[in-house]
Amino acid sequence: QSALTQPPSASGSPGQSVTISCTGTSSDIGAYNYVSWYQHHPGKGPKFLIFEVNKRPSGVPDRFSASKSGNTASLTVSGLQAEDEADYYCSSYGGTNRLLFGGGTKLTVL
Amino acid sequence: QVQLVQSGSELKNPGASVKVSCKPSGYTFNTYNINWVRQAPGQGLEWMGWINTNTGNPMYAQGLAGRFVFSLDTSVSTAYLQISSLKAEDTAVYYCARVYCSSTTCETKGFDIWGQGTMVAVSS
Repeated sequence: QSALTQPPSASGSPGQSVTISCTGTSSDIGAYNYVSWYQHHPGKGPKFLIFEVNKRPSGVPDRFSASKSGNTASLTVSGLQAEDEADYYCSSYGGTNRLLFGGGTKLTVL
Repeated sequence: QVQLVQSGSELKNPGASVKVSCKPSGYTFNTYNINWVRQAPGQGLEWMGWINTNTGNPMYAQGLAGRFVFSLDTSVSTAYLQISSLKAEDTAVYYCARVYCSSTTCETKGFDIWGQGTMVAVSS
């Protein structure tokens, strides 16, 4: 059982937008602005998408955006493309020696 | 090209030990700390801890068993994860990951470069 809760699946058609939620507690997501998001294609290392709640590293398309409200963070993928089909993971700092991941959400592009 | 290259898959008997390597390339080894993350079959990612690539000081996630040890060999610019007294529940893909440094800080708690993963299977 993962520390952060994500829906197991999400889907959308090409061109549409989809939002994936990530729910924690007042001790992690609610306490710190250190939420990150990753895209993971099986067999590869995860790809870094978002850091510090809503910041994109260089090279990440602006189709990927994120936010946080209270104990819940969200990732929105706009203009869905076939290559966006992957597993998505959130993570949050939870204090000293605590970094929590979500259970992952499998995004299907219909 | 900046990358982390990990050692190959391992199949071990219960009770044995394994050492997974993680070798950075394309950047200076001791400028970014290395984290370890694992993914058990069918499960999500789990953060295991990190090692300071300057001092060699490891920091382990709360609750991580003492059977897991992070180390460095600076002579070959490589980080290692050693697991002793292997159990079936240690079966997982183990990743090393580089901490992300923004323009202002390395305390982002995010990981920008990941190794390709090392599958460790424990079975008799």
